[in-house]
Amino acid sequence: GDSVTQMEGPVTLSEEAFLTINCTYTATGYPSLFWYVQYPGEGLQLLLKATKADDKGSNKGFEATYRKETTSFHLEKGSVQVSDSAVYFCALSGWNFNKFYFGSGTKLNVKP
Amino acid sequence: DVKVTQSSRYLVKRTGEKVFLECVQDMDHENMFWYRQDPGLGLRLIYFSYDVKMKEKGDIPEGYSVSREKKERFSLILESASTNQTSMYLCASSDPQGDADTQYFGPGTRLTVL
Repeated sequence: GDSVTQMEGPVTLSEEAFLTINCTYTATGYPSLFWYVQYPGEGLQLLLKATKADDKGSNKGFEATYRKETTSFHLEKGSVQVSDSAVYFCALSGWNFNKFYFGSGTKLNVKP
Repeated sequence: DVKVTQSSRYLVKRTGEKVFLECVQDMDHENMFWYRQDPGLGLRLIYFSYDVKMKEKGDIPEGYSVSREKKERFSLILESASTNQTSMYLCASSDPQGDADTQYFGPGTRLTVL
């Protein structure tokens, strides 16, 4: 079945460091891929998405490229801020968007 | 902005109690979802609904039921709460006619069953 695997955390970085959170997926067909972010005490918010191979999603300085050949959708940011501290979830959805599959989440701690 | 609200942020119940978790969305979305979030397991789908009175089981429906009598409201029911249902419960909605691939989440209800 469809599934998402993402790197375990927590990830601790200093402010302005480069961030990579790895995500790989297993899916039949051509899924859409997402990164959601959960700030402390809040629900999940969509951060970025990509709907087909080679698409790059981007938002708030974060980027991820849909790589079909490696079944990956790694999240990157060139310079993290303390305010980026949150839990990040990779997710996929099939063609009908009635089912979404989420990874286990990666907690990011950014220290000043 | 889409707003998804959940009736309680924190809830403490006793084993065997019947528990109702309420979710309301204000954007006329047809799809609504209930997930539970546990450390190391991410989000797991309990049930989803694609229209009033319509529902489908997700990956972990055992011990839960749902009700969708009105389009804006989706309720999760624990018929007889057990300690292994202690978790964070998240409600979400989406619009299959519009931005179908985006889910909007509520803030969550942290349920503790003693």
